Amino acid sequence: NAGVTQTPKFQVLKTGQSMTLQCAQDMNHNSMYWYRQDPGMGLRLIYYSASEGTTDKGEVPNGYNVSRLNKREFSLRLESAAPSQTSVYFCASSEAMTGGSGNTIYFGEGSWLTVV
Amino acid sequence: SQQGEEDPQALSIQEGENATMNCSYKTSINNLQWYRQNSGRGLVHLILIRSNEREKHSGRLRVTLDTSKKSSSLLITASRAADTASYFCATDAGSSASKIIFGSGTRLSIRP
Repeated sequence: NAGVTQTPKFQVLKTGQSMTLQCAQDMNHNSMYWYRQDPGMGLRLIYYSASEGTTDKGEVPNGYNVSRLNKREFSLRLESAAPSQTSVYFCASSEAMTGGSGNTIYFGEGSWLTVV
Repeated sequence: SQQGEEDPQALSIQEGENATMNCSYKTSINNLQWYRQNSGRGLVHLILIRSNEREKHSGRLRVTLDTSKKSSSLLITASRAADTASYFCATDAGSSASKIIFGSGTRLSIRP
């Protein structure tokens, strides 16, 4: 049982380059998330997808785009990378039942991105 | 700005002592969760408390929630070296159960 799988694990980009982080979950979860974590900091929500076919902005969406390709997959794209986007990126998923029910988030192992 | 803010930012205690960390949040919530992160790894869920609950236990963990003060606390009893990690609270945005926001975290160090 793989859980949440994200690729690549490490990437170095030059300023202005583009790249896509891939994420897939095998738990049949409804919601998926992309967070970034800067050194010594907490996680900040970039975008989330409450269910297949929907995406919404989080706390720090500027400079990013997302695609909920299907129920399993949720990708994050940097169109023109900037040094300020150097960070660790975490993909996550949850059942996220409607009606305000609680839900547990399951995280991938992270993608370390450096923009030079 | 982040929904949840943990206090203290860092905590160092002797093995066997109890560790208490606090989380404050800004808007109404449906539930509050606590997660643990070992260095360089993804976060792992510890415990969830719903907005209509005041206290919850899981093993050596005790979580309280005071919705009137918009605050929660996580108590780890009889700490062990393996408890060394960062701890984060996470809340939904109230109006959207799927929008989960994390706090800034408490770095806990357990001294042998």
